[in-house]
Amino acid sequence: QKEVEQDPGPLSVPEGAIVSLNCTYSNSAFQYFMWYRQYSRKGPELLMYTYSSGNKEDGRFTAQVDKSSKYISLFIRDSQPSDSATYLCAMSLTSGNKLVFGAGTILRVKS
Amino acid sequence: KAGVTQTPRYLIKTRGQQVTLSCSPISGHRSVSWYQQTPGQGLQFLFEYFSETQRNKGNFPGRFSGRQFSNSRSEMNVSTLELGDSALYLCASSPGVPMWGVTDTQYFGPGTRLTVL
Repeated sequence: QKEVEQDPGPLSVPEGAIVSLNCTYSNSAFQYFMWYRQYSRKGPELLMYTYSSGNKEDGRFTAQVDKSSKYISLFIRDSQPSDSATYLCAMSLTSGNKLVFGAGTILRVKS
Repeated sequence: KAGVTQTPRYLIKTRGQQVTLSCSPISGHRSVSWYQQTPGQGLQFLFEYFSETQRNKGNFPGRFSGRQFSNSRSEMNVSTLELGDSALYLCASSPGVPMWGVTDTQYFGPGTRLTVL
């Protein structure tokens, strides 16, 4: 079993929809949680960074961490075709430490 | 601030050869990490360098090695290339130490796409 599980999709939604992306993990020692977006043939781009449990909002993006359930989520409001990309969850034991990634979810937003 | 830069962007090599990839971190960042990305295994951690010392290492064979220079620039080397080494190699930089008001997380470069024939 992988340390971080993420549904690879693809997830296809109409423009303007609310998107929910999720990851589960098995190592309760993870403390730092991130979401990256990766466009085709590009490097991952940091979207959200969260320490421990709780919610964090940045524009149309909201990240949630539930350490008791070992479950993290990323919500995208008012999704746009430009949001079409692969979304990767990542987590680490300490800040700046080696990241453990999920497989990535392919998101397609149709106009 | 300029982002993480990696050179070359594309490489084609044959089995048995060796290859060296280069990474320049964000100015002021002292930690450089390397990852391998493949369709089958996803993103996997190779190693991390901080202040010219390897601080963390992933589960890769000894054919994969790296180093960091005093200006924080880093190189990784793969010797005796195998077909399975074909991948996107990503470099990520971070401050490397806790700093007030600065998130110590990793920012990625565009990657070097290595094809082994």
